[in-house]
Amino acid sequence: AQSVTQLDSQVPVFEEAPVELRCNYSSSVSVYLFWYVQYPNQGLQLLLKYLSGSTLVKGINGFEAEFNKSQTSFHLRKPSVHISDTAEYFCAVSDRFGNEKLTFGTGTRLTIIP
Amino acid sequence: DAGVIQSPRHEVTEMGQEVTLRCKPISGHNSLFWYRQTMMRGLELLIYFNNNVPIDDSGMPEDRFSAKMPNASFSTLKIQPSEPRDSAVYFCASSSDFLASSQNHPSTDTQYFGPGTRLTVL
Repeated sequence: AQSVTQLDSQVPVFEEAPVELRCNYSSSVSVYLFWYVQYPNQGLQLLLKYLSGSTLVKGINGFEAEFNKSQTSFHLRKPSVHISDTAEYFCAVSDRFGNEKLTFGTGTRLTIIP
Repeated sequence: DAGVIQSPRHEVTEMGQEVTLRCKPISGHNSLFWYRQTMMRGLELLIYFNNNVPIDDSGMPEDRFSAKMPNASFSTLKIQPSEPRDSAVYFCASSSDFLASSQNHPSTDTQYFGPGTRLTVL
């Protein structure tokens, strides 16, 4: 079984400042990793995913994440945030061996301060 | 493609009534997932189907909840009887299998979520 920990439930950031949202996972097998974003009153939308290959993954809206196997982390970063980035961000994990279940973290609410 | 379609978008009902939520997955996707989102418990997987067959329903809270997928383009989640604690946003998601070059069996790729149904049970 896998688990995902998002240590920060809320992150306030000034507009145009950089941001990092932390995600750590636990699994006994190799995993796939995902970041989803949920804007107010909407469904979840995929930001980026790591399946294999380069550990630095680039996604939509200028976000990127780095897979660190030794630290079992998959932190999400953006060098300069915008008001429109205000949303809830979810990290998720699934295993590589045919298990289709995604395990989600509890989410991090990103608030951009003008 | 229109994406995952859910109906209704909002449902308000009284305790004890039957509630049916509907989902149309993306055409060509063969896996379908039902999630529930609440402030207290976050995002929980209730059940998922692969090729119309329920694979894992361990997340279904109790016998009042049931889900069906009669064909590849339609699924329902039913609550009977409903209770106030069932109030939540229910999401449907779909995905397709893919065969990774490093594996000999298919695995899942991105799950695409619908807009959700906000259920309020009074």
